[in-house]
Amino acid sequence: KAGVTQTPRYLIKTRGQQVTLSCSPISGHRSVSWYQQTPGQGLQFLFEYFSETQRNKGNFPGRFSGRQFSNSRSEMNVSTLELGDSALYLCASSLQTGYNEQFFGPGTRLTVL
Amino acid sequence: GIQVEQSPPDLILQEGANSTLRCNFSDSVNNLQWFHQNPWGQLINLFYIPSGTKQNGRLSATTVATERYSLLYISSSQTTDSGVYFCAVERRETSGSRLTFGEGTQLTVNP
Repeated sequence: KAGVTQTPRYLIKTRGQQVTLSCSPISGHRSVSWYQQTPGQGLQFLFEYFSETQRNKGNFPGRFSGRQFSNSRSEMNVSTLELGDSALYLCASSLQTGYNEQFFGPGTRLTVL
Repeated sequence: GIQVEQSPPDLILQEGANSTLRCNFSDSVNNLQWFHQNPWGQLINLFYIPSGTKQNGRLSATTVATERYSLLYISSSQTTDSGVYFCAVERRETSGSRLTFGEGTQLTVNP
């Protein structure tokens, strides 16, 4: 069974631009979560989607948004990029929402110049 | 929110040595996972262990939920074990899921 896939793997943007990252979960998994990893803040939860609905949200500004499609694939969008948004963005999938083992994709490394 | 503390922050070993990594958490949890982050950044699942003991080859883990800690044991370490080990927990939420991560233990295994 294929694992979680994320595209693109690397991205370079400039301040003020916007970016969209994509995540395809493991087949049969319906929950997708997004995390941001930076050297200063570590791994932080962004949001979780299940059945096309946002079920949980972390403490990030409204510039960070996401959505989930009927096939469980998810996208996250960051508008008006700031230098501090440079990070590794990790997507995780699980069978259901709540207390299920989460499996992570390889990540998208975003650099904002 | 829940606090997750991992110790030690850094660990340097010679190949063949054994080690114990610890994860303390500040509240009751319904999910606890251990991950190994590879050099390319991907988090590799080691254990899903909200309670009890599990073993997988040279690795084993124990979670004592009532005392709010988990231990990851690595025996006969190899250079390929190097990397960052993360503990992540999930407590009961009103809705949805959320893993809270510790700061990680940076393990270096020298030949």
